Amino acid sequence: AQSVTQLDSQVPVFEEAPVELRCNYSSSVSVYLFWYVQYPNQGLQLLLKYLSGSTLVKGINGFEAEFNKSQTSFHLRKPSVHISDTAEYFCAVSRLQGAQKLVFGQGTRLTINP
Amino acid sequence: SAVISQKPSRDICQRGTSLTIQCQVDSQVTMMFWYRQQPGQSLTLIATANQGSEATYESGFVIDKFPISRPNLTFSTLTVSNMSPEDSSIYLCSVERGRKAFFGQGTRLTVV
Repeated sequence: AQSVTQLDSQVPVFEEAPVELRCNYSSSVSVYLFWYVQYPNQGLQLLLKYLSGSTLVKGINGFEAEFNKSQTSFHLRKPSVHISDTAEYFCAVSRLQGAQKLVFGQGTRLTINP
Repeated sequence: SAVISQKPSRDICQRGTSLTIQCQVDSQVTMMFWYRQQPGQSLTLIATANQGSEATYESGFVIDKFPISRPNLTFSTLTVSNMSPEDSSIYLCSVERGRKAFFGQGTRLTVV
């Protein structure tokens, strides 16, 4: 079975500051890794995904994440945030084989303050 | 990409009643997934729906409570049966395309 832990439930940040949202996972098999964003009153949207290859993955809206296999982490970063980045962010994993059933972390609420 | 339409977008229901949520995809998909997002919590997979076979339920979810239909490759329904206030959640339909999951806007259910 897989599990995902997002270490921070809430992260307040000032506008234009850098941010890192932490994600650790546990799995006995290899997994794909994802970050999803949920803006207020909207559906889930894929930010980025790691399937294979380069461990640094770039996504939409200036976000990037780095896969660290030895530390089983997939932290999300952005060098300079905007008010519009205020949202809930979910880290998720799925097995390589079979149906893409996603296991989600608890979510991190990112609040950008002016 | 995939465009997913869910209906209703929200509903307020009396306890003991049932609600059926519909999910329509803009093109054929093999598997459709139903998730639940309880207030202030993350998403949890309820079941995977394949066309032409019984849905596969995750631990903690049973068919009697959450019956699922999958009559064709673009449509599925999830019924929340005999509702209680604990069923108040957002229910989301999802499909996979190119190792990427797409989600509907969700159905916000409040049970009173």
